[in-house]
Amino acid sequence: TQLLEQSPQFLSIQEGENLTVYCNSSSVFSSLQWYRQEPGEGPVLLVTVVTGGEVKKLKRLTFQFGDARKDSSLHITAAQPGDTGLYLCAGRTDSWGKLQFGAGTQVVVTP
Amino acid sequence: ETGVTQTPRHLVMGMTNKKSLKCEQHLGHNAMYWYKQSAKKPLELMFVYSLEERVENNSVPSRFSPECPNSSHLFLHLHTLQPEDSALYLCASSQGKDYEQYFGPGTRLTVT
Repeated sequence: TQLLEQSPQFLSIQEGENLTVYCNSSSVFSSLQWYRQEPGEGPVLLVTVVTGGEVKKLKRLTFQFGDARKDSSLHITAAQPGDTGLYLCAGRTDSWGKLQFGAGTQVVVTP
Repeated sequence: ETGVTQTPRHLVMGMTNKKSLKCEQHLGHNAMYWYKQSAKKPLELMFVYSLEERVENNSVPSRFSPECPNSSHLFLHLHTLQPEDSALYLCASSQGKDYEQYFGPGTRLTVT
Protein backbone atom coordinates (compact mmCIF):
# COMPACT_ATOMS: atom_id res chain seq x y z
CA THR A 1 0.00 0.00 0.00
CA GLN A 2 1.41 3.35 -1.08
CA LEU A 3 1.05 5.82 1.76
CA LEU A 4 2.03 8.87 -0.27
CA GLU A 5 0.29 9.74 -3.53
CA GLN A 6 2.01 12.22 -5.80
CA SER A 7 0.26 14.04 -8.60
CA PRO A 8 0.53 14.49 -11.43
CA GLN A 9 2.78 11.61 -12.40
CA PHE A 10 4.20 13.59 -15.32
CA LEU A 11 4.26 17.28 -16.16
CA SER A 12 5.69 18.95 -19.23
CA ILE A 13 5.79 22.74 -19.42
CA GLN A 14 7.51 25.55 -21.27
CA GLU A 15 10.25 27.64 -19.73
CA GLY A 16 8.81 30.56 -17.80
CA GLU A 17 5.57 28.84 -16.81
CA ASN A 18 4.57 28.01 -13.25
CA LEU A 19 3.80 24.55 -11.93
CA THR A 20 2.56 22.86 -8.79
CA VAL A 21 3.01 19.25 -7.74
CA TYR A 22 1.17 17.59 -4.90
CA CYS A 23 1.87 15.00 -2.27
CA ASN A 24 -1.11 13.55 -0.39
CA SER A 25 -1.62 10.95 2.29
CA SER A 26 -4.17 9.74 4.79
CA SER A 27 -1.37 9.43 7.34
CA VAL A 28 0.00 12.15 9.58
CA PHE A 29 3.71 12.78 9.25
CA SER A 30 6.05 14.30 11.81
CA SER A 31 7.97 15.85 8.94
CA LEU A 32 8.04 15.77 5.17
CA GLN A 33 10.91 16.11 2.77
CA TRP A 34 11.13 16.99 -0.90
CA TYR A 35 13.89 15.64 -3.13
CA ARG A 36 14.82 16.18 -6.78
CA GLN A 37 16.41 13.34 -8.70
CA GLU A 38 18.10 13.73 -12.07
CA PRO A 39 18.69 10.82 -14.46
CA GLY A 40 21.48 8.54 -13.32
CA GLU A 41 21.78 10.23 -9.95
CA GLY A 42 20.45 9.79 -6.45
CA PRO A 43 17.80 12.04 -4.91
CA VAL A 44 19.04 15.39 -3.62
CA LEU A 45 17.30 16.86 -0.58
CA LEU A 46 15.60 20.21 -1.29
CA VAL A 47 13.74 20.98 1.92
CA THR A 48 12.28 19.57 5.11
CA VAL A 49 8.98 20.89 6.51
CA VAL A 50 7.98 20.10 10.05
CA THR A 51 5.17 22.34 11.28
CA GLY A 52 1.58 22.14 10.00
CA GLY A 53 0.90 25.11 7.70
CA GLU A 54 4.60 25.82 7.27
CA VAL A 55 5.74 27.51 4.08
CA LYS A 56 9.37 27.46 2.97
CA LYS A 57 10.88 29.19 -0.01
CA LEU A 58 14.00 28.17 -1.86
CA LYS A 59 14.60 30.74 -4.62
CA ARG A 60 11.78 30.03 -7.13
CA LEU A 61 10.52 26.99 -5.23
CA THR A 62 7.80 27.28 -2.58
CA PHE A 63 7.00 24.34 -0.33
CA GLN A 64 3.92 24.09 1.85
CA PHE A 65 3.03 21.55 4.52
CA GLY A 66 -0.68 21.04 5.11
CA ASP A 67 -2.23 22.16 8.38
CA ALA A 68 -2.96 18.55 9.33
CA ARG A 69 0.53 17.41 8.27
CA LYS A 70 -0.98 14.93 5.78
CA ASP A 71 -0.18 16.69 2.53
CA SER A 72 2.29 19.01 0.90
CA SER A 73 2.78 20.96 -2.30
CA LEU A 74 5.70 22.25 -4.29
CA HIS A 75 5.23 25.30 -6.48
CA ILE A 76 7.83 26.42 -8.99
CA THR A 77 7.64 29.94 -10.38
CA ALA A 78 9.01 30.75 -13.82
CA ALA A 79 10.35 27.26 -14.40
CA GLN A 80 13.70 26.80 -16.09
CA PRO A 81 15.16 23.79 -17.96
CA GLY A 82 17.40 23.18 -14.94
CA ASP A 83 14.28 22.40 -12.91
CA THR A 84 13.77 19.25 -14.96
CA GLY A 85 13.83 16.14 -12.81
CA LEU A 86 11.89 13.65 -10.74
CA TYR A 87 10.43 15.32 -7.66
CA LEU A 88 9.95 12.98 -4.73
CA CYS A 89 8.19 13.61 -1.45
CA ALA A 90 8.96 11.53 1.61
CA GLY A 91 7.09 11.56 4.89
CA ARG A 92 8.50 10.54 8.20
CA THR A 93 6.16 8.60 10.49
CA ASP A 94 6.34 8.79 14.24
CA SER A 95 6.84 5.06 14.78
CA TRP A 96 10.59 4.99 14.49
CA GLY A 97 11.32 7.70 11.97
CA LYS A 98 11.16 5.63 8.79
CA LEU A 99 10.77 7.59 5.55
CA GLN A 100 7.85 6.71 3.26
CA PHE A 101 8.40 7.83 -0.33
CA GLY A 102 5.92 8.73 -3.03
CA ALA A 103 6.43 7.46 -6.59
CA GLY A 104 7.41 10.93 -7.78
CA THR A 105 6.38 13.53 -10.33
CA GLN A 106 8.49 13.71 -13.47
CA VAL A 107 8.83 17.37 -14.49
CA VAL A 108 10.15 18.36 -17.91
CA VAL A 109 10.80 22.02 -18.66
CA THR A 110 11.51 22.76 -22.32
CA PRO A 111 13.25 25.91 -23.55
CA GLU B 1 26.50 17.70 -1.28
CA THR B 2 27.89 14.41 -2.61
CA GLY B 3 29.35 12.93 0.53
CA VAL B 4 28.00 9.46 -0.29
CA THR B 5 29.72 7.44 -2.99
CA GLN B 6 28.64 4.16 -4.55
CA THR B 7 30.51 1.68 -6.70
CA PRO B 8 30.07 0.37 -9.25
CA ARG B 9 27.72 2.83 -10.96
CA HIS B 10 26.54 0.19 -13.40
CA LEU B 11 26.48 -3.59 -13.08
CA VAL B 12 25.26 -6.32 -15.38
CA MET B 13 25.18 -9.79 -13.91
CA GLY B 14 23.80 -13.19 -14.71
CA MET B 15 21.43 -15.00 -12.40
CA THR B 16 24.16 -17.33 -11.17
CA ASN B 17 26.74 -14.66 -10.41
CA LYS B 18 27.82 -13.28 -7.06
CA LYS B 19 28.59 -9.59 -6.85
CA SER B 20 28.76 -6.86 -4.23
CA LEU B 21 27.71 -3.22 -4.18
CA LYS B 22 29.73 -0.80 -2.10
CA CYS B 23 28.72 2.43 -0.40
CA GLU B 24 30.94 4.85 1.48
CA GLN B 25 29.89 7.98 3.32
CA HIS B 26 32.24 10.84 4.20
CA LEU B 27 29.79 12.82 6.31
CA GLY B 28 30.48 11.42 9.75
CA HIS B 29 27.01 9.89 9.90
CA ASN B 30 26.15 6.84 11.96
CA ALA B 31 23.14 5.44 10.10
CA MET B 32 23.19 3.94 6.61
CA TYR B 33 20.44 2.63 4.36
CA TRP B 34 19.89 0.54 1.24
CA TYR B 35 16.93 1.39 -0.99
CA LYS B 36 15.65 -0.18 -4.20
CA GLN B 37 14.20 2.11 -6.87
CA SER B 38 12.19 0.56 -9.69
CA ALA B 39 10.56 2.52 -12.49
CA LYS B 40 7.42 4.41 -11.45
CA LYS B 41 7.42 2.87 -7.98
CA PRO B 42 8.26 4.48 -4.64
CA LEU B 43 11.68 3.90 -3.18
CA GLU B 44 11.63 0.70 -1.19
CA LEU B 45 13.63 0.62 2.02
CA MET B 46 15.61 -2.61 2.19
CA PHE B 47 17.96 -2.36 5.16
CA VAL B 48 18.94 0.13 7.84
CA TYR B 49 22.07 0.08 9.92
CA SER B 50 22.50 2.31 12.95
CA LEU B 51 25.88 2.32 14.67
CA GLU B 52 26.79 -0.74 12.59
CA GLU B 53 23.82 -2.73 13.90
CA ARG B 54 21.06 -3.76 11.52
CA VAL B 55 17.85 -2.21 12.82
CA GLU B 56 15.51 -2.79 9.89
CA ASN B 57 15.05 -5.57 7.38
CA ASN B 58 11.98 -5.10 5.25
CA SER B 59 11.33 -8.74 4.32
CA VAL B 60 14.03 -8.64 1.69
CA PRO B 61 14.81 -11.98 -0.02
CA SER B 62 17.87 -13.74 1.32
CA ARG B 63 19.60 -13.39 -2.06
CA PHE B 64 20.37 -9.86 -0.81
CA SER B 65 22.81 -9.82 2.09
CA PRO B 66 23.96 -6.54 3.68
CA GLU B 67 27.16 -5.94 5.58
CA CYS B 68 28.21 -2.89 7.58
CA PRO B 69 31.79 -3.31 8.81
CA ASN B 70 31.98 0.24 10.20
CA SER B 71 29.92 3.43 10.25
CA SER B 72 31.40 4.67 6.96
CA HIS B 73 30.99 1.60 4.79
CA LEU B 74 28.02 -0.44 3.69
CA PHE B 75 27.91 -3.39 1.31
CA LEU B 76 25.11 -5.26 -0.41
CA HIS B 77 26.10 -8.78 -1.42
CA LEU B 78 24.12 -10.22 -4.32
CA HIS B 79 23.68 -13.91 -5.08
CA THR B 80 21.47 -15.77 -7.57
CA LEU B 81 19.37 -12.75 -8.40
CA GLN B 82 16.26 -12.73 -10.58
CA PRO B 83 15.54 -10.45 -13.57
CA GLU B 84 12.94 -8.61 -11.49
CA ASP B 85 15.76 -7.51 -9.19
CA SER B 86 16.99 -5.18 -11.94
CA ALA B 87 16.69 -1.67 -10.52
CA LEU B 88 18.61 1.32 -9.21
CA TYR B 89 20.05 0.53 -5.79
CA LEU B 90 20.55 3.61 -3.66
CA CYS B 91 22.58 4.02 -0.53
CA ALA B 92 21.88 6.80 1.95
CA SER B 93 23.26 7.96 5.26
CA SER B 94 22.06 10.18 8.08
CA GLN B 95 23.31 11.53 11.37
CA GLY B 96 20.79 9.34 13.14
CA LYS B 97 17.62 7.50 12.23
CA ASP B 98 15.45 10.59 12.69
CA TYR B 99 17.70 12.94 10.73
CA GLU B 100 17.75 13.90 7.06
CA GLN B 101 19.04 11.29 4.68
CA TYR B 102 21.67 11.99 2.03
CA PHE B 103 21.79 9.72 -0.99
CA GLY B 104 24.55 8.38 -3.16
CA PRO B 105 24.27 8.31 -6.97
CA GLY B 106 23.11 4.71 -7.04
CA THR B 107 24.14 1.51 -8.81
CA ARG B 108 22.12 0.64 -11.90
CA LEU B 109 21.81 -3.16 -11.72
CA THR B 110 20.70 -5.30 -14.64
CA VAL B 111 20.16 -9.01 -14.10
CA THR B 112 20.19 -11.06 -17.30
